[in-house]
Amino acid sequence: AQSVTQPDIHITVSEGASLELRCNYSYGATPYLFWYVQSPGQGLQLLLKYFSGDTLVQGIKGFEAEFKRSQSSFNLRKPSVHWSDAAEYFCAVRGPYKLSFGAGTTVTVRA
Amino acid sequence: GAVVSQHPSWVICKSGTSVKIECRSLDFQATTMFWYRQFPKQSLMLMATSNEGSKATYEQGVEKDKFLINHASLTLSTLTVTSAHPEDSSFYICSARGLAGGPFGQETQYFGPGTRLLVL
Repeated sequence: AQSVTQPDIHITVSEGASLELRCNYSYGATPYLFWYVQSPGQGLQLLLKYFSGDTLVQGIKGFEAEFKRSQSSFNLRKPSVHWSDAAEYFCAVRGPYKLSFGAGTTVTVRA
Repeated sequence: GAVVSQHPSWVICKSGTSVKIECRSLDFQATTMFWYRQFPKQSLMLMATSNEGSKATYEQGVEKDKFLINHASLTLSTLTVTSAHPEDSSFYICSARGLAGGPFGQETQYFGPGTRLLVL
C-alpha cells in the first residue's frame, strides 16, 4: 500500500524568505504525486501535480516541486514566501483506488 | 475550472437528527466522488468512495448505516449523517475526480470547501 511521510509538522519562515517542505512517499509503481494547500476552515486547493516527464513541476502561487525517484521524494519549494502562504500543506500519492495523504505541514509566516 | 462545491458550509443540529451534505462538481462530470472527515490539526481521513450509479465503498471502521452516501448523477453526491451525535461533529470534505478523456482528466482529485458539522 502507498504511504506519504511529511517529516516536518510545523515550519516558521520569514516573509520573503525561501520555503521548502519535505515529502517522502512509498509506492511500488510510478507514482502520481500531488501537493495541496489548505487555508484555515477551507477545503484543499491543488498546488501542483506530477505524473510523468519533467521532474521539476511548476504550480500555482509561485510553487514548484521536484520529483526525485532515487530518494522517493517530492519536495515543495517557493523562493519567496508571502504572508498569504501561511496554511497547511499536504503531500499526497495516488494509489490504484485512492489518495494517501501525509500528516501535513503547518507553515507560519512571520513579518 | 475544476470547481467542487459543498452545501451547506456549516450546520448546527440537535443530537438525534439527520443532516444532509451536498457535493457538486460544477464544471465537470465526476464518475467518482470521495468523502473525507478531518479532525482539528489532522490530515484527511477517507470515509468512502462512491461511483455514479453504484453503492459506495466504505473504508474500514466507517459505519455505512450512519453515513449514507448517494451518488445519483455525474455531478452530485450527498452524504447524510443519520441520527447525529456530538461525536459526529467534524469537518467533512468531498472530492471529485473527472472522467477519463474529460477536460480535467481522471487522475486528479478536486476538493470542495468543506462542511463543518456541530452536533449539540
